[in-house]
Amino acid sequence: DAGVIQSPRHEVTEMGQEVTLRCKPISGHDYLFWYRQTMMRGLELLIYFNNNVPIDDSGMPEDRFSAKMPNASFSTLKIQPSEPRDSAVYFCASVQRGLDTEAFFGQGTRLTVV
Amino acid sequence: DAKTTQPPSMDCAEGRAANLPCNHSTISGNEYVYWYRQIHSQGPQYIIHGLKNNETNEMASLIITEDRKSSTLILPHATLRDTAVYYCIVRVWDSSYKLIFGSGTRLLVRP
Repeated sequence: DAGVIQSPRHEVTEMGQEVTLRCKPISGHDYLFWYRQTMMRGLELLIYFNNNVPIDDSGMPEDRFSAKMPNASFSTLKIQPSEPRDSAVYFCASVQRGLDTEAFFGQGTRLTVV
Repeated sequence: DAKTTQPPSMDCAEGRAANLPCNHSTISGNEYVYWYRQIHSQGPQYIIHGLKNNETNEMASLIITEDRKSSTLILPHATLRDTAVYYCIVRVWDSSYKLIFGSGTRLLVRP
């Protein structure tokens, strides 16, 4: 497996524009997580899914943020409208349920909102 | 999940062992200790985890004290590529599998 795949790797957009980040989890994994990383706040958990169903979105900062998982192999994180303070690296991770389990992270999407 | 405390930074010489401590004094009996690391600009990478026994894999060793209130991650022969931020996370094995990251320890391996 190629691992968790995120796209795009880099995104530069203007304030007020809609931004969509994409994630393809590892095949067979039933949990998917979205994280945001900034220098000030570190790695923050935004939302996670189990079997495509959102379980906990308490980390989503505002209503401008939304996430979907229409099927087991694809998830999106959307910001509309984007603001400069949304600039960060966004990571996606997936996990397969089991006792000796580990989370696999993607390479991240670096978002810059100007 | 229990909170963890780690030193903000450490350094060691290349080829020497790196010992990274973590305090988790409020850990519960069913909480595991996980270690991840993040090399600059990459996604976090799993290293090792344990419940009460010491664990070893090809990357590192995990030593958990008998009272489970602290642990040490040991990189036996640190290389320059081990320079990274190391995160100690305590988590209940349950249905969520979510990882809550603290600020971690920034390890610098010196040539």
